[in-house]
Amino acid sequence: DVKVTQSSRYLVKRTGEKVFLECVQDMDHENMFWYRQDPGLGLRLIYFSYDVKMKEKGDIPEGYSVSREKKERFSLILESASTNQTSMYLCASSSGSGTDTQYFGPGTRLTVL
Amino acid sequence: KNEVEQSPQNLTAQEGEFITINCSYSVGISALHWLQQHPGGGIVSLFMLSSGKKKHGRLIATINIQEKHSSLHITASHPRDSAVYICAAGVGNNDMRFGAGTRLTVKP
Repeated sequence: DVKVTQSSRYLVKRTGEKVFLECVQDMDHENMFWYRQDPGLGLRLIYFSYDVKMKEKGDIPEGYSVSREKKERFSLILESASTNQTSMYLCASSSGSGTDTQYFGPGTRLTVL
Repeated sequence: KNEVEQSPQNLTAQEGEFITINCSYSVGISALHWLQQHPGGGIVSLFMLSSGKKKHGRLIATINIQEKHSSLHITASHPRDSAVYICAAGVGNNDMRFGAGTRLTVKP
């Protein structure tokens, strides 16, 4: 079974703090994704990566950066957290093209005070 | 207008009822996905389909490519089916467009 894990289920940070969210997958998938999920808006893509050290902006990259130094690990970084970044963050991975099933992690609920 | 629209937004049913969730999309797709999200956040892929119909247990997914419409049906619904169901259009090249989700509550 594919397993995607995220470093925290719940996180509370203060405005201006630097925040790291980590995601690890164990199926040697090429593609990894970071989404945020807000009520009524569905999942929105922040960034994705199709290979080590490669990244592409999604629909809402502003205020975020990512890092993929190893194939299995994809990190989302909030350089200076703001209250409007309070959200559920979901990581996913897939093996190939955009038609392939994405496997999701359990999510991190981030609250920025 | 969102590229992927789901209806209804919220659905409450009694145990045993037949349930239908609808999804319409306005983009060209390579595949249509149905996902399930239980309370607590985890998302599980239920179906990926590009034509016709797929069945898994009590769940059935259909797609009409010409009408750009898909439905998810649950037969003999059970309280454990309570979850958010998400329709997602795979538009190729690692791009997926998600609906806002349908929150289903099945009462015993």
